[in-house]
Amino acid sequence: KQEVTQIPAALSVPEGENLVLNCSFTDSAIYNLQWFRQDPGKGLTSLLLIQSSQREQTSGRLNASLDKSSGRSTLYIAASQPGDSATYLCAVVHNYGQNFVFGPGTRLSVLP
Amino acid sequence: GAVVSQHPSWVICKSGTSVKIECRSLDFQATTMFWYRQFPKQSLMLMATSNEGSKATYEQGVEKDKFLINHASLTLSTLTVTSAHPEDSSFYICSAWTGTSGTYNEQFFGPGTRLTVL
Repeated sequence: KQEVTQIPAALSVPEGENLVLNCSFTDSAIYNLQWFRQDPGKGLTSLLLIQSSQREQTSGRLNASLDKSSGRSTLYIAASQPGDSATYLCAVVHNYGQNFVFGPGTRLSVLP
Repeated sequence: GAVVSQHPSWVICKSGTSVKIECRSLDFQATTMFWYRQFPKQSLMLMATSNEGSKATYEQGVEKDKFLINHASLTLSTLTVTSAHPEDSSFYICSAWTGTSGTYNEQFFGPGTRLTVL
């Protein structure tokens, strides 16, 4: 059974810092991996989707990498801003058309 | 991108009543819809998989007679929480899968429904 973990569980940084969020999954046979952002009491915002054949994806200040063989992904946030404060969720899909398995999330606070 | 809506966005009900939550794909047809539940300060957990025109598949520990799922069309799935109790209070989120060979086989999430049972 696929299990997804995320480290750290919570992170508090001053504005402007670059930071890395980590995601690990136990079954490397994934179809794709996606990073989401969730603001308190809100739904999910898709940030980056990485297909199993890809190594990384970039969008603005965000960069996500995938090392499928080791079961790891990292989300890199450059020049963090207070508006980045949210919970970041990593999720994997095992096969075409199947559900996501979510990690527990990393709660990020960026202090002005 | 594709849009998925949920209605209502929040609902408060008395214990013992039933609540229906709708999940709609607005600009695409969804072969499959997934229902997730998120308790406070926890991550999303899959409740059931809903395929158009067939019975839903429930995850272990989810009571199918309590959480009724209907996927009568390619754009609408409903989750009915029957005889709701305070422990059913949660954030319910659906996602819809296009089922096509699109570039990324993406699934799209609804904004969620906050259920509070008094």
